[in-house]
Amino acid sequence: KAGVTQTPRYLIKTRGQQVTLSCSPISGHRSVSWYQQTPGQGLQFLFEYFSETQRNKGNFPGRFSGRQFSNSRSEMNVSTLELGDSALYLCASSLEQRNSPLHFGNGTRLTVT
Amino acid sequence: QQPVQSPQAVILREGEDAVINCSSSKALYSVHWYRQKHGEAPVFLMILLKGGEQKGHDKISASFNEKKQQSSLYLTASQLSYSGTYFCGTEDLNAGNMLTFGGGTRLMVKT
Repeated sequence: KAGVTQTPRYLIKTRGQQVTLSCSPISGHRSVSWYQQTPGQGLQFLFEYFSETQRNKGNFPGRFSGRQFSNSRSEMNVSTLELGDSALYLCASSLEQRNSPLHFGNGTRLTVT
Repeated sequence: QQPVQSPQAVILREGEDAVINCSSSKALYSVHWYRQKHGEAPVFLMILLKGGEQKGHDKISASFNEKKQQSSLYLTASQLSYSGTYFCGTEDLNAGNMLTFGGGTRLMVKT
């Protein structure tokens, strides 16, 4: 079974631009979560989607948004990029029930200059 | 509020044991443990549900004390392959399908 696929692997953007990251979950997984990982803040929860609906949202500004498509693939968008948005963005998929393990992708490394 | 992990870092020699603790201020439904090696994605180790159960995975086991909202990860007879950063992720009793991760514990096993 193929794992979680995130594209692109690396991105370099300039302050003020916007960016879209993509995540394809494991086949059969309908829940997709996004995390921001930085050396200082660790793994910070962004949002979680299930059946095209956002069920949970972390404490991030409205510049961070996401969506999920009918095939469970998910995208996240960051508008008006700031230097502090530089991070590794991880996507994880899981089965729909609670206490299901998260399966992480390799992440997208975003650098904002 | 994220769970608190301790210690932040630990260095072991092969064959030594270690304990990593995870403490939350909220009532928990479950605790997850993951390991992340440098440059790689976090990998799932185990889940513990409320009920105080203890689980094992090879020479890695964990416990969950739901009354104290604490979990501990036990690594026995450590191997070089155990090196990495260990994260606990907690799922609140009243907020499902959302894991909040601790700051991580960096473990280095040396020969």
